[in-house]
Amino acid sequence: EADIYQTPRYLVIGTGKKITLECSQTMGHDKMYWYQQDPGMELHLIHYSYGVNSTEKGDLSSESTVSRIRTEHFPLTLESARPSHTSQYLCASSDGGAHTGELFFGEGSRLTVL
Amino acid sequence: GQNIDQPTEMTATEGAIVQINCTYQTSGFNGLFWYQQHAGEAPTFLSYNVLDGLEEKGRFSSFLSRSKGYSYLLLKELQMKDSASYLCAVSDSNYQLIWGAGTKLIIKP
Repeated sequence: EADIYQTPRYLVIGTGKKITLECSQTMGHDKMYWYQQDPGMELHLIHYSYGVNSTEKGDLSSESTVSRIRTEHFPLTLESARPSHTSQYLCASSDGGAHTGELFFGEGSRLTVL
Repeated sequence: GQNIDQPTEMTATEGAIVQINCTYQTSGFNGLFWYQQHAGEAPTFLSYNVLDGLEEKGRFSSFLSRSKGYSYLLLKELQMKDSASYLCAVSDSNYQLIWGAGTKLIIKP
């Protein structure tokens, strides 16, 4: 059973607010990922990290930042939330890389920006 | 561009067999994944194919043809709990996953 946790599960906030979505895993995985998923749509990679102090941008990274100070923790920050950020955010981790190892996903954070 | 195609929705009967197809066009290929995602839940890993052929795992099997850019997920002895979305994803030349939009499978009694 995967041990990867996301908080909050649900969040409703106003436009312009700064928010941080938390993601923690207890499996010791080096690789962690943030995806955005809208209903009926494919997952889009926002950011990823292959280890401590290593972060890379994905397809939709321009309006968010991440940090990887500890192996187990990979928070995602939106500096100024907009209604277009309304979506489901999924955190995932892997010990073998996406090309060989399975991804373990958190339960997701559903964000609504008014 | 890179593209993964799979049917949007399929319906099948409990106890039957269903095949969910996935075709892909990517820059390079380093394996194909299938994930299951129940409504409101996280995706969970089902299978991984990197060589041509059929991989069987219980009631689920996954097939790959690299020359055709084609895969399918075969679900046998369908159960109501199999109602979910099934996501196809390909690892490209940079080992980044390209995801399909998923196939919503509806199981009827």
